[in-house]
Amino acid sequence: AQTVTQSQPEMSVQEAETVTLSCTYDTSESDYYLFWYKQPPSRQMILVIRQEAYKQQNATENRFSVNFQKAAKSFSLKISDSQLGDAAMYFCAYRVGSNYKLTFGKGTLLTVNP
Amino acid sequence: DVKVTQSSRYLVKRTGEKVFLECVQDMDHENMFWYRQDPGLGLRLIYFSYDVKMKEKGDIPEGYSVSREKKERFSLILESASTNQTSMYLCASSLPGQGNQETQYFGPGTRLLVL
Repeated sequence: AQTVTQSQPEMSVQEAETVTLSCTYDTSESDYYLFWYKQPPSRQMILVIRQEAYKQQNATENRFSVNFQKAAKSFSLKISDSQLGDAAMYFCAYRVGSNYKLTFGKGTLLTVNP
Repeated sequence: DVKVTQSSRYLVKRTGEKVFLECVQDMDHENMFWYRQDPGLGLRLIYFSYDVKMKEKGDIPEGYSVSREKKERFSLILESASTNQTSMYLCASSLPGQGNQETQYFGPGTRLLVL
């Protein structure tokens, strides 16, 4: 069974600094996709960034980037120039290419200190 | 913008009651999903539907059923609510496709308390 592990239940960062959230996954599949979702307090979960396993280049979306290490099965999220609005629960998720199902990690609660 | 709405943000029910949670999406998505979210457990898939009247069990379907009579609406039913079903319930929808095209869009969630 595929599993997704987020080893940091909570993280904190000072405003304007950089923080990295960790995620590892376990799979025997070669075709899969990885995602980071953000859930702000009392607000809707939204997609932050996604990565196709076949792509070697790390995905980037503005201040958000990933470090995808396929051999190590690691998919960390880096948030640069952290803002107060980045405070949220962050979930790492995995999906096999041909399957509908997303498997989520348990989440990392990020606090941004002013 | 995709919009996924859920009928209630907060719901309080009594043990043994039949509970309906409704989800509506406005983007003609084939796929719809119900998850429950519990602290320290992340999101767990209850059921999903890939077409009208079609459904498949997720990881934790026990105690739940679903209904999809129209493409835009996906209902989660708790036939006889129990206290261990107190949770946050999230609905999501997606358009099937290869890889990048299939992103799940989430509703705001329904926080259910069963007394």
